[in-house]
Amino acid sequence: EIVLTQSPGTLSLSPGERATLSCRASQSISSSYLAWYQQKPGQAPRLLIYDASSRATGIPDRFSGSGSGTDFTLTISRLEPEDFAVYYCQQYERSPPGYTFGQGTKLEIK
Amino acid sequence: QVQLVQSGTEVKKPGASVKVSCKASGYTFTTHGFSWVRQAPGQGLEWMGWISANSGDTDYAQKVQGRVTLTTDTSTSTAYMELRSLRFDDTAVYYCARDVAPARFDFWGQGTLVTVSS
Repeated sequence: EIVLTQSPGTLSLSPGERATLSCRASQSISSSYLAWYQQKPGQAPRLLIYDASSRATGIPDRFSGSGSGTDFTLTISRLEPEDFAVYYCQQYERSPPGYTFGQGTKLEIK
Repeated sequence: QVQLVQSGTEVKKPGASVKVSCKASGYTFTTHGFSWVRQAPGQGLEWMGWISANSGDTDYAQKVQGRVTLTTDTSTSTAYMELRSLRFDDTAVYYCARDVAPARFDFWGQGTLVTVSS
């Protein structure tokens, strides 16, 4: 089973700053099978990025995803107050078929 | 607009079963499958399984295999997750999500809190 490790666990930044979140896989995965989600307290997760770098419908262009192989990054270019939340990466495996999530990165206001 | 509306809060005793529903609207139900994801209090996301709304094919996470059954009812556009032999550590919010492609859960239900308590 592929394990996703996100870092840092908590990231403290101010509005207007740039955020860089990391997701490292225990073995190489297809970029087509890597997604990022945002979750705010009391809410369901929201899809931000799929195929490692494609923005989901309605997601502002300050969110971008990159990476390949085992190292993937979510970047938020200029933080807005509503961006402070927990972010999860997700990957899909074909054999056995299934999904795993990283443990999450909490982005908090400094 | 696509909506997934889940059933309400459940409180169950250890050893009991729970069945959570997820009613879809705003698109053709059989076009996409559903994944179910749970989140224990203060914890991360855990995938439980997937079902094709077209064929009924399923995949289950090893951790819950044998205790979970995913089904759909195309006549009512509703997906179901049944979890049996409930344990205290099954206490969580359970989400359904529309699974449109590998690693692309584009719409989510609002979540259903299942509490296992004696």
